[in-house]
Amino acid sequence: KAGVTQTPRYLIKTRGQQVTLSCSPISGHRSVSWYQQTPGQGLQFLFEYFSETQRNKGNFPGRFSGRQFSNSRSEMNVSTLELGDSALYLCASSPTGGDGYGYTFGSGTRLTVV
Amino acid sequence: AQTVTQSQPEMSVQEAETVTLSCTYDTSESNYYLFWYKQPPSRQMILVIRQEAYKQQNATENRFSVNFQKAAKSFSLKISDSQLGDTAMYFCAFMYTGANSKLTFGKGITLSVRP
Repeated sequence: KAGVTQTPRYLIKTRGQQVTLSCSPISGHRSVSWYQQTPGQGLQFLFEYFSETQRNKGNFPGRFSGRQFSNSRSEMNVSTLELGDSALYLCASSPTGGDGYGYTFGSGTRLTVV
Repeated sequence: AQTVTQSQPEMSVQEAETVTLSCTYDTSESNYYLFWYKQPPSRQMILVIRQEAYKQQNATENRFSVNFQKAAKSFSLKISDSQLGDTAMYFCAFMYTGANSKLTFGKGITLSVRP
């Protein structure tokens, strides 16, 4: 059974640019969540998508957005990049979310903003 | 809002020995789940163990076990017979039940297993 796949693994962008990260969940999982991990703030919840609908959102500015497709694959977009957006972005999938089985994480996308 | 506190930033243990990682949390919810995740240098978060708050029995997964004290809001992880492959960051996480839930993580603890 394939795990959660995130692409790309590494990304370097310039301030002001925008970036799109991709996440393919485990087959059959309909809930996809995104987390930002930084040394200073730790792991912070960005948003969760379930059946193509954003079901929950963390405390991030509107520059951070996402979407989910009918095959449950999800993308996350960050516009007008800032230096502080440099982080490891982790995607996690779950059968339905909130079901307590725990989320399966991908290996993340390391974004560096210069 | 829920908070998860891991007060020890680093720990070190000799191979084959036992180590306990501490975690406390704060919530007004009565139904929730608690997790320990491991993050090795490969970056992937790996679920180590989970505990349902309504279950009094402590969860166990091979060498990993928890001490869940609901009244004290404490959820520690015990690793027995530590192995070199246990070297990683360990995160304690909380999630309330139902839709719209999310994982709230502690800051993590870096565990080093010495040969």
